[in-house]
Amino acid sequence: NAGVMQNPRHLVRRRGQEARLRCSPMKGHSHVYWYRQLPEEGLKFMVYLQKENIIDESGMPKERFSAEFPKEGPSILRIQQVVRGDSAAYFCASSPRSVTEAFFGQGTRLTVV
Amino acid sequence: AQSVTQLGSHVSVSEGALVLLRCNYSSSVPPYLFWYVQYPNQGLQLLLKYTSAATLVKGINDFEAEFKKSETSFHLTKPSAHMSDAAEYFCAVTLAQGGSEKLVFGKGTKLTVNP
Repeated sequence: NAGVMQNPRHLVRRRGQEARLRCSPMKGHSHVYWYRQLPEEGLKFMVYLQKENIIDESGMPKERFSAEFPKEGPSILRIQQVVRGDSAAYFCASSPRSVTEAFFGQGTRLTVV
Repeated sequence: AQSVTQLGSHVSVSEGALVLLRCNYSSSVPPYLFWYVQYPNQGLQLLLKYTSAATLVKGINDFEAEFKKSETSFHLTKPSAHMSDAAEYFCAVTLAQGGSEKLVFGKGTKLTVNP
């Protein structure tokens, strides 16, 4: 059973471009969580999704950020018109039921130049 | 609301010495508590978790943590540090809000192990 797979591991985007981050949960996991890690900060919750549903997006910036978890395929975190402040590590976690059983991926490190 | 405070953003120990990383939480309900380790440019690996069973929780790589309700603490310890323990450690607590549950993380403690 492969772990939580995130790709790409590193992503460089110019200001104003779009960034698409992918997360394939572990087999049998239908719950996905996205977190952002800024330097010298812990992980901050962004969004919680179940298949085809956004359950909690209280940590998502109101503009430019969106997330989906379709019936088939990986979960996608999309950042439109990136700015330098979006540079961070983005982590995805998946679980079969509860966040107390979550496993984390290796993260995508986004650099905006 | 639940929150986590990790005392000391940097801790340095000698190889073979005791490791003590501090975590205090605030929670209005009995919490689930976690310790994660992050190696450079890697994801988070679960070290151990407290889920209201035994108050002394043993994890991987000889780490353990004790839940002390009276002190609202969940400090992480290891009797003898190894060079490979150098990493960043995060304490986390579950937060139930608005029908969903999420993890709230502390800011992390970077552990340096000196030869």
